Amino acid sequence: EPEVTQTPSHQVTQMGQEVILRCVPISNHLYFYWYRQILGQKVEFLVSFYNNEISEKSEIFDDQFSVERPDGSNFTLKIRSTKLEDSAMYFCASKTSWTPTNEQFFGPGTRLTVL
Amino acid sequence: AQSVSQHNHHVILSEAASLELGCNYSYGGTVNLFWYVQYPGQHLQLLLKYFSGDPLVKGIKGFEAEFIKSKFSFNLRKPSVQWSDTAEYFCAVNLPNRDDKIIFGKGTRLHILP
Repeated sequence: EPEVTQTPSHQVTQMGQEVILRCVPISNHLYFYWYRQILGQKVEFLVSFYNNEISEKSEIFDDQFSVERPDGSNFTLKIRSTKLEDSAMYFCASKTSWTPTNEQFFGPGTRLTVL
Repeated sequence: AQSVSQHNHHVILSEAASLELGCNYSYGGTVNLFWYVQYPGQHLQLLLKYFSGDPLVKGIKGFEAEFIKSKFSFNLRKPSVQWSDTAEYFCAVNLPNRDDKIIFGKGTRLHILP
């Protein structure tokens, strides 16, 4: 069964460094998402992406964040200058098309640790 | 703002016990409702979903949930849990007439004693 994959599974970085988190959505999916979960808190929506542009973003998704679909298979989240509070689990999700249930398929997550 | 509340942060049960995890949401309009499960080291998986029709929804692995609109609730149930049900469970809501994002609760960590 096709799955969303994410790499790396764990990323450790120094504060102020740039990180790129990678996701490979399910191949025929058209809508892509990033969510994050700070330890002990709820999973929060960051951004949705469709047709090569951002559809919606949360207030968390400030100028330090960007997303890209560089090659038709990968979907990346870049944090330009990481802060301690960016430490979290980052989940990528995708879905095939607009459906009434809006079922999104999630990847295993990347744990980002900012030191 | 819309929110999802899960009443229990950590639940410990013995095998064969019955399970009910509470979930309430705060939105008066049309909602899609989900329960996701995350087994240790694995990705979020959809357990079940509700978007219309029968308010009693059956999902995978013997789980079910009941949508009670008057109570804004979508509680998850399983009559007899197994050790393999040890995982974190997330209730979530989507507002289909508003936007595309899924709003999650904080999760309930379920630990089943063998």
